[in-house]
Amino acid sequence: DAGVIQSPRHEVTEMGQEVTLRCKPISGHNSLFWYRQTMMRGLELLIYFNNNVPIDDSGMPEDRFSAKMPNASFSTLKIQPSEPRDSAVYFCASSLAGATDTQYFGPGTRLTVL
Amino acid sequence: DQQVKQNSPSLSVQEGRISILNCDYTNSMFDYFLWYKKYPAEGPTFLISISSIKDKNEDGRFTVFLNKSAKHLSLHIVPSQPGDSAVYFCAASPVITTDSWGKLQFGAGTQVVVTP
Repeated sequence: DAGVIQSPRHEVTEMGQEVTLRCKPISGHNSLFWYRQTMMRGLELLIYFNNNVPIDDSGMPEDRFSAKMPNASFSTLKIQPSEPRDSAVYFCASSLAGATDTQYFGPGTRLTVL
Repeated sequence: DQQVKQNSPSLSVQEGRISILNCDYTNSMFDYFLWYKKYPAEGPTFLISISSIKDKNEDGRFTVFLNKSAKHLSLHIVPSQPGDSAVYFCAASPVITTDSWGKLQFGAGTQVVVTP
C-alpha cells in the first residue's frame, strides 16, 4: 500500500492567500485526522472524520480553517485567508477502524505564510 | 492546556547504551498510551503502546513502563542504535464514553540523538 498521501509537500504563500492542503488516506480506512505541528504547541488535532463525517472539529483554530471529506479517498484542509501564524507542518493520518486504532500518518505539508 | 508533557526536549546517548524517555500526564481518564517515532521530513510512525491494565509492555529493544499512580510513563530503548535518532512523541487517549471518542493527546516530543 502507498500509505497516506499528502500534497503539496511544501507550500509557500503570502498572507491573505487561500491555501488548500490535500490528503488521500489508506484505502479501506474509515477514519481520517488532520493535525498541525508547531514548535510552541507540538502536535495538535484539528479535525477528525469517521466514515466521511466530521466527528470533532473543536481543534480547528477559527473560521478561516475548513475541512471537507467528500468521499472515502480524499480530504482537504483549507485556510482562507492565510496568516503568518498558520505556518506549521500539517499532517493527515488515517486509521482502519476508528479513533482508537493505530493511526498512520502522511509525510506532512510544510506551510510557510509570508 | 497540555495534558501530556514531555519535559525533556532533547536527549543524547551513546550507541549501545540505554535511552530513557519520560512522559507525564494530568488526565486521570487516560487509559491507553502510545509512543510514536518521527524522522525528519516524515510523518510520525507508531512504535509501541500500553493499556492502563498493564504496567509494562515490551517489543524487542523497546519497553514502555506505566506508573498510573504517578501518572508517568517511560520508554526504554536498549541498546540504542544510530537509527534510533529521531523525535519521539508520547500520546494518550481517554476512556471512550458517550462524551469522549478517544481523542489522542500528544506531548511536544523529545529529540533523541544516538552518537557512535
